[in-house]
Amino acid sequence: RKEVEQDPGPFNVPEGATVAFNCTYSNSASQSFFWYRQDCRKEPKLLMSVYSSGNEDGRFTAQLNRASQYISLLIRDSKLSDSATYLCVVNSIPVTGGTSYGKLTFGQGTILTVHP
Amino acid sequence: DVKVTQSSRYLVKRTGEKVFLECVQDMDHENMFWYRQDPGLGLRLIYFSYDVKMKEKGDIPEGYSVSREKKERFSLILESASTNQTSMYLCASRGPRDRALNQPQHFGDGTRLSIL
Repeated sequence: RKEVEQDPGPFNVPEGATVAFNCTYSNSASQSFFWYRQDCRKEPKLLMSVYSSGNEDGRFTAQLNRASQYISLLIRDSKLSDSATYLCVVNSIPVTGGTSYGKLTFGQGTILTVHP
Repeated sequence: DVKVTQSSRYLVKRTGEKVFLECVQDMDHENMFWYRQDPGLGLRLIYFSYDVKMKEKGDIPEGYSVSREKKERFSLILESASTNQTSMYLCASRGPRDRALNQPQHFGDGTRLSIL
């Protein structure tokens, strides 16, 4: 089982639609969570961190469910410019040894295409 | 803003050559990372470094080595390039170490490396 799993999509939605992505993680010791956005042939960029109580940034809402080990991203009122790959990212603490900061594990990404 | 700079956007090398990819960050971050990204495989961690002269293997270190002589610079070395190392290479930094758990990573623009 992969540490971080996402539905690869693609999701094709019209402008103005609401779309939701889910992501599951396998390590219950995971400590912090992020959503990144990656445009075609560009580097990943941080979209938002995900907090335990859930958080919102404009049209974007992120939620965390620790009991079920999944995080979600909701995009409301989709824009053409939202078309990108969305990466779910999890920070886990090493079980044995290594450094104390943990490393980020990236999901494979969910492709979103918003069309007119 | 964090600035992570990779030395080349595009690079073409020949099989058997020794290849150096350079990465510099300007935020005094302790943690630096090298990934490769391939279609269908997502981001895979090659090596990371949590301090000067310190390094740890990631998920796919074979065929690669790294160097961290100065805090701001993290180099990836392909000892003898092979065609299966053709990929997009991404450098990232993160820090500071004591608060790294809640810190996202910041990526450079990426280097598209082709091995002929």
